[in-house]
Amino acid sequence: DADVTQTPRNRITKTGKRIMLECSQTKGHDRMYWYRQDPGLGLRLIYYSFDVKDINKGEISDGYSVSRQAQAKFSLSLESAIPNQTALYFCATGGSSYEQYFGPGTRLTVT
Amino acid sequence: EDQVTQSPEALRLQEGESSSLNCSYTVSGLRGLFWYRQDPGKGPEFLFTLYSAGEEKEKERLKATLTKKESFLHITAPKPEDSATYLCAVQEGSNYQLIWGAGTKLIIKP
Repeated sequence: DADVTQTPRNRITKTGKRIMLECSQTKGHDRMYWYRQDPGLGLRLIYYSFDVKDINKGEISDGYSVSRQAQAKFSLSLESAIPNQTALYFCATGGSSYEQYFGPGTRLTVT
Repeated sequence: EDQVTQSPEALRLQEGESSSLNCSYTVSGLRGLFWYRQDPGKGPEFLFTLYSAGEEKEKERLKATLTKKESFLHITAPKPEDSATYLCAVQEGSNYQLIWGAGTKLIIKP
């Protein structure tokens, strides 16, 4: 089984809808991250969390919110989706030597 | 401003043709430099961490090296299955956020 899982893997939604992307990990890591990836722009950090009570904004947090329900679960929400939030979204966990381990990604399309 | 720049943006090689990818960085206190491989539509896969100038790491046909200003990912006698985008990221000081490069897309033709 994969160490970092993301659901759903693909999602098409309409402008204005609220959606949630979920991430679960079995690596036992405290640090978790949400990124988005757009062609030509690389990975950009949305939010990160050091533990259940410690959540921090990344460079592009506007329009997003997160919830850390447990050490193993970190969810990303788009309160009112807009077309320029169409992207590939990745969850990652932080290892003991600061490397990060990524999930398989969620391809989100906002029409 | 802290930056990570990867070059070239894309590299096409024939199978067996060795080459190198470059990752240059400008951070005030490097804590670690990370290399990842990413296949289309998939999450980045961790390859190596380098911590100090002069350090080298190897995995199959890949070898990563580090100087004070840049890192190289050398690929020896590549095969088509080595085709992917290779990402570089750096960690500065005690900051748990990584600074990412835009990646090099490597295409190996049979």
